[in-house]
Amino acid sequence: ETGVTQTPRHLVMGMTNKKSLKCEQHLGHNAMYWYKQSAKKPLELMFVYNFKEQTENNSVPSRFSPECPNSSHLFLHLHTLQPEDSALYLCASRTGANEQFFGPGTRLTVL
Amino acid sequence: QKEVEQNSGPLSVPEGAIASLNCTYSDRGSQSFFWYRQYSGKSPELIMSIYSNGDKEDGRFTAQLNKASQYVSLLIRDSQPSDSATYLCAVNSRYSTLTFGKGTMLLVSP
Repeated sequence: ETGVTQTPRHLVMGMTNKKSLKCEQHLGHNAMYWYKQSAKKPLELMFVYNFKEQTENNSVPSRFSPECPNSSHLFLHLHTLQPEDSALYLCASRTGANEQFFGPGTRLTVL
Repeated sequence: QKEVEQNSGPLSVPEGAIASLNCTYSDRGSQSFFWYRQYSGKSPELIMSIYSNGDKEDGRFTAQLNKASQYVSLLIRDSQPSDSATYLCAVNSRYSTLTFGKGTMLLVSP
């Protein structure tokens, strides 16, 4: 248990659905991240938030929309996804020493 | 393009042996280096952080950093079957972001 929780743990959605992923950290960190992990590819950074402000958008398609209402919560809103978006989506939070701690992830399948 | 390179493996070692995992990186300005362990179907778990040249030991794990050679390694002593996992090397590329390697799969046989 790293102090970072994610819900849901598994999600199956059709291409026309809208869903949201939620991340919560109980570590008092001020930076939070979304990553995508696909088979046989390195972790891909999607978004970075520092003190609720988005500081990085790694050329992510607009069908992924992040939201950070406060330093402890992070959402990833999903709409009109494609089958190639199926992956493990990981949330992380960061210490002042640049260490990142990951949540358990959401396994997303897009049909 | 900042890159972190790892041999994908698998690296197979017998139980009780030393496993040596290696990583090279391209960004000379990197200051923070991390090793994560990821079991199949699970998320990455931070096991070592190293910030200065030399060795850092934590239990059975030793991280080694050589900034001049842009090389970081992880040694696992007395390897156990429970150490079988994929090990990810991560390097800070800008202050708040990390670049990850593809990972090395380690298999420890009883």
